[in-house]
Amino acid sequence: EPEVTQTPSHQVTQMGQEVILRCVPISNHLYFYWYRQILGQKVEFLVSFYNNEISEKSEIFDDQFSVERPDGSNFTLKIRSTKLEDSAMYFCASSLRKAGGTDTQYFGPGTRLTVL
Amino acid sequence: AQSVAQPEDQVNVAEGNPLTVKCTYSVSGNPYLFWYVQYPNRGLQFLLKYITGDNLVKGSYGFEAEFNKSQTSFHLKKPSALVSDSALYFCAVRLSYGGSQGNLIFGKGTKLSVKP
Repeated sequence: EPEVTQTPSHQVTQMGQEVILRCVPISNHLYFYWYRQILGQKVEFLVSFYNNEISEKSEIFDDQFSVERPDGSNFTLKIRSTKLEDSAMYFCASSLRKAGGTDTQYFGPGTRLTVL
Repeated sequence: AQSVAQPEDQVNVAEGNPLTVKCTYSVSGNPYLFWYVQYPNRGLQFLLKYITGDNLVKGSYGFEAEFNKSQTSFHLKKPSALVSDSALYFCAVRLSYGGSQGNLIFGKGTKLSVKP
């Protein structure tokens, strides 16, 4: 069964450094998402992406964040200058069809980001 | 504001007994409702969803959920729990129209522990 994959599984970085989290969505899916979960808190939506542009973003997704689909398979989340409060589990997800429709979002295993 | 509540941090069940994990929601308009499960070191795995139609939805691994519009609830159930069902369960809602249709709004999760 096709799965969403994410690398690395754990990333440790120093405050102020740039990090790139990588995701490979399910191959025929068209919509991609990033969510995050700060330890002990809810899973929160960050951004959705379709046709090489952002469809929707939350208040969390400020200018420090960016997303890109650099090739036909990868979907990346970049944090330009990490802060301590960026420490969280970051989940990538993908869905086959329109984000506002009934399609299921399938999630990857997550990348645990630790900012020191 | 849209929200999802999972009132129990943890549910303890003996193997073979029925289990219920509770979820209530607050949205304006008609919701699409989802249950996901997270096993240790794994991503969020889709269990089932309610879009429309029959209020009782059947999903993976013998789980089912009942949509109750008057009580704004979507409780997850299984007639006979297995030790392997022990995991973290997340309820999520997505709007069917208007506003932020793409993103999922998650509850905080309920840890299910099934003892032999």
